[in-house]
Amino acid sequence: DAGITQSPRHKVTETGTPVTLRCHQTENHRYMYWYRQDPGHGLRLIHYSYGVKDTDKGEVSDGYSVSRSKTEDFLLTLESATSSQTSVYFCAISETRDPKTQYFGPGTRLLVL
Amino acid sequence: ILNVEQSPQSLHVQEGDSTNFTCSFPSSNFYALHWYRWETAKSPEALFVMTLNGDEKKKGRISATLNTKEGYSYLYIKGSQPEDSATYLCAPLYSSASKIIFGSGTRLSIRP
Repeated sequence: DAGITQSPRHKVTETGTPVTLRCHQTENHRYMYWYRQDPGHGLRLIHYSYGVKDTDKGEVSDGYSVSRSKTEDFLLTLESATSSQTSVYFCAISETRDPKTQYFGPGTRLLVL
Repeated sequence: ILNVEQSPQSLHVQEGDSTNFTCSFPSSNFYALHWYRWETAKSPEALFVMTLNGDEKKKGRISATLNTKEGYSYLYIKGSQPEDSATYLCAPLYSSASKIIFGSGTRLSIRP
């Protein structure tokens, strides 16, 4: 299994509070991704990174920001959490652009009350 | 936003039966197609990646075919077993984009 960890694994927070989720990899892969999983939507890309300090938006980026200061860490921040951001968040990594098989972390379950 | 469709959304199959389902995707600028298997309470795991028209990949009882000209892929499971119960995701990659788009998946349940 690819060495990918996510922290925390579970979090309950209140509306309006900031939340940061961490993805850590030991594979030295260049690409890292944040997805959210919601019923009826499958996996939707929030943001991704193609190198240290190089990030771009996915299809559902509003309300989220990311940072990648080191190859191994990709942080996802909810600046002011809303109930609509209650979801399961998955981090993924891939070594190269093509054909870019992704390896997924265990997921973080976030509940915003 | 690219439209990736998987059908059916859910499928119930008797143990021992064979089954198949479909992934449809835009064919323009197609580069590769991934299939992932996603068990409940776990993370998605890569099954296959295919790039060429007519590609066929096989892993045990599971196989997949690819038609890049018309933009579809089939996933086949022969002699379904309870451990095949999962959601199967397809995800095409395009040469004009730098990220994969996931379909919403086919949820397969095997009845013992």
